[in-house]
Amino acid sequence: TQLLEQSPQFLSIQEGENLTVYCNSSSVFSSLQWYRQEPGEGPVLLVTVVTGGEVKKLKRLTFQFGDARKDSSLHITAAQPGDTGLYLCAGERSGNTPLVFGKGTRLSVIA
Amino acid sequence: DVKVTQSSRYLVKRTGEKVFLECVQDMDHENMFWYRQDPGLGLRLIYFSYDVKMKEKGDIPEGYSVSREKKERFSLILESASTNQTSMYLCASNGQNQPQHFGDGTRLSIL
Repeated sequence: TQLLEQSPQFLSIQEGENLTVYCNSSSVFSSLQWYRQEPGEGPVLLVTVVTGGEVKKLKRLTFQFGDARKDSSLHITAAQPGDTGLYLCAGERSGNTPLVFGKGTRLSVIA
Repeated sequence: DVKVTQSSRYLVKRTGEKVFLECVQDMDHENMFWYRQDPGLGLRLIYFSYDVKMKEKGDIPEGYSVSREKKERFSLILESASTNQTSMYLCASNGQNQPQHFGDGTRLSIL
């Protein structure tokens, strides 16, 4: 059973379009992280959200944590080719337990 | 900045060999983790450690062991490498209640 479901699995869009990636679970998480991974590299942390309903912005990226802390979304405005990569969400169920990872969304932004 | 260093980016070994993957972090983090990443399966936790000389099995520990003799170093050992252990291996570390930071990964091929 996959505890964190990410959708869509693959996304190919044109430069300038907007997109949203979803991370859903039936479990409650104390925090949730979003990572971006480029081919041949390790995941790089983008943001951590900890409060239900929290919204964080990172330039053109907007992250939201659901009110019940069971789901999250990543919205990218005016996507650019440099946004191409694998986006991973990861949840922590309680203090100092291993993260639960989604399988990722592979985004391709075409110029 | 947090630095997690994995000893090799690429490694080719033969079936039956004993393989050592090394990971070092420079932020005095208590926690260290080893994952493998395969297409369609996402990141899967192999072993983790919350302290020196301490280890815990993750979701897929079979065929692997680990060693943590010093706080900054966490080694993954493939006792007798097999072809199904060909994968991307990722090391990560974090402090208490902090997000995980990843190394660049080791792409291991077992022939």
